[in-house]
Formats: sequence, structure tokens, C-alpha cells
Amino acid sequence: DAGVIQSPRHEVTEMGQEVTLRCKPISGHDYLFWYRQTMMRGLELLIYFNNNVPIDDSGMPEDRFSAKMPNASFSTLKIQPSEPRDSAVYFCATRPGRGVAEAFFGQGTRLTVV
Amino acid sequence: AQSVTQLGSHVSVSEGALVLLRCNYSSSVPPYLFWYVQYPNQGLQLLLKYTSAATLVKGINGFEAEFKKSETSFHLTKPSAHMSDAAEYFCAYSGAGSYQLTFGKGTKLSVIP
Repeated sequence: DAGVIQSPRHEVTEMGQEVTLRCKPISGHDYLFWYRQTMMRGLELLIYFNNNVPIDDSGMPEDRFSAKMPNASFSTLKIQPSEPRDSAVYFCATRPGRGVAEAFFGQGTRLTVV
Repeated sequence: AQSVTQLGSHVSVSEGALVLLRCNYSSSVPPYLFWYVQYPNQGLQLLLKYTSAATLVKGINGFEAEFKKSETSFHLTKPSAHMSDAAEYFCAYSGAGSYQLTFGKGTKLSVIP
């Protein structure tokens, strides 16, 4: 398996624009997590899905952020409108539903909002 | 609520010296504990994990960690640091039966030649 695949790896956008980050999970993994990493706050869990259903979105900072998982092979994290304070590295991670306890991370998307 | 504390945001060691990165957790339920490593511009990679079996856990690249319930600790060690160990290390916690990971703030390890 190629692992968790995120795209794009880097995104630079202007304030006010819509940004969409994409994630392809490892096949067969039931759980998908979106994390945000910043110097100030470290790694924060934004939202996670189980079998494509959002379970906990309490970490989503505000209504400008939304996430979807239309099928088992794809998830998006959208920011609309984007602001400079959204600049961060966004990680997608997945894990199986049972047995193995750890999460497997993608390479991340580095977002810069100017 | 559970939390993970990593003592020292930045640790420097000489090449060949002992590496010790500290992690403490607080939780009322039995934990699963993990150490991840992050190289620059990369995602997080699992080093090792504790899931209620042996308390001394061996991982990749010569790292190991010991779970001490009485101290609520899960410190990461390596007997002899190598230049390639320079990276950021994250301790993470998951309660048994939970599917979320809670991360510490990370410790950046520098290795001095």
C-alpha cells in the first residue's frame, strides 16, 4: 500500500480564497483523522471519521472549516474563506478499526495564506 | 480529560551519548502510548508503541521506551545518539477503547558532532 496520500503538498493562497485539502486513506482503514500542526499549538485534532461518518468535530476551529468523507477512499478539508492564521501544516491520518492501535500519517499539506 | 506532557521542547546531545526524552501522561483509563518521529517536511512515523503487553518496548532505529504506571511515564531512550536521530519526537496517548490520539507538544532533538 502507498500509505496515506495527501494533496497538495504545498498550497499558497490569498486571504479570502477557498482552500481544499485532500486525503486518500489506506485501503481498509476505518478511521480517518485531520490534524493541524503549528509552532504555537502543536498537533491539534480537528475532526475524525469512522466508516465515512464524522464522529467528533469539536476541534474544528470555526465555521470556516468543513470536512467531508464522501466514500472510504477520499476525504477533504475545506477552509472558506481562508485567513493568514490558518497557515499551518495539515495532516491526515488513518487507522484500522480493530487490532492495531496506532495511526498512520500522510506527508502533510503545508498551507500558507498571505 | 487525558493529557500528555513532554518535558523539554528542545534537547541537545553529543553524537554517541545517551538520548533520553521524557513523556508523562495523565488519564484515568489504561493507556496505549506511542512515540512518533518527524523529520523536516515529513509526516509522523511510528517509532514504538505500548499496548499493555511488555512494559519495556523496543522500536525502530535502536530506540526503546519503558512504561511505568506508578510514575505515569513513558520515556524514550537510545543508548548512543547518531546524527540521523536529529528530528522532532512526539509522545501520544490513546485510552483503551478510544480511537483518538492525544499528542504532546513535541521535543526537538539535536545531535552535536
